[in-house]
Amino acid sequence: SQQGEEDPQALSIQEGENATMNCSYKTSINNLQWYRQNSGRGLVHLILIRSNEREKHSGRLRVTLDTSKKSSSLLITASRAADTASYFCATAIMDSSYKLIFGSGTRLLVRP
Amino acid sequence: GAVVSQHPSRVICKSGTSVKIECRSLDFQATTMFWYRQFPKQSLMLMATSNEGSKATYEQGVEKDKFLINHASLTLSTLTVTSAHPEDSSFYICSARLTGGPGEQFFGPGTRLTVL
Repeated sequence: SQQGEEDPQALSIQEGENATMNCSYKTSINNLQWYRQNSGRGLVHLILIRSNEREKHSGRLRVTLDTSKKSSSLLITASRAADTASYFCATAIMDSSYKLIFGSGTRLLVRP
Repeated sequence: GAVVSQHPSRVICKSGTSVKIECRSLDFQATTMFWYRQFPKQSLMLMATSNEGSKATYEQGVEKDKFLINHASLTLSTLTVTSAHPEDSSFYICSARLTGGPGEQFFGPGTRLTVL
């Protein structure tokens, strides 16, 4: 079963604006990861944040993690039309399986 | 680096036939690979964890006799959909975990299966 939910389900913004996506999960985690998927393609790993980290940056991406609220957010700054894709959070639960449980995803449309 | 390939990218088959999908890690060794299924506009559902040299671990509700997984080497895992039916039509994606890494997975491009 899916670990958590993401909101919004869909987001449409103008190029240059920032996009924020939120992810909530249910169980204790080892780390949380964000992935991007273009339509009909595989997933691309964006960023991994460990359970003892609160914030992480990578280029135009900023991820936060609040383990007390079991939530994470992904911020894409200065968005571009090429950022149009579906974004998924995935949680690695605290066992030895290394399994990832994916959230429901946010479909982002960046209008040129 | 860390490239995962899948073959075939698309397959159309008749109901009742079996289909094999290959997942290869091209430039790294992966003791653990994962198989996911994705329906249109939905998230990925983990089907099973494929462990090199041992039996796969299936998620609840996934029929192991229906979806046969073989992880014969450190760079290859195969998923065979046996006696496929139209309800098995889906997008199947594999991923590989970099052994010793922090936990990120590298995904293949996916296989679109259509069962007529």
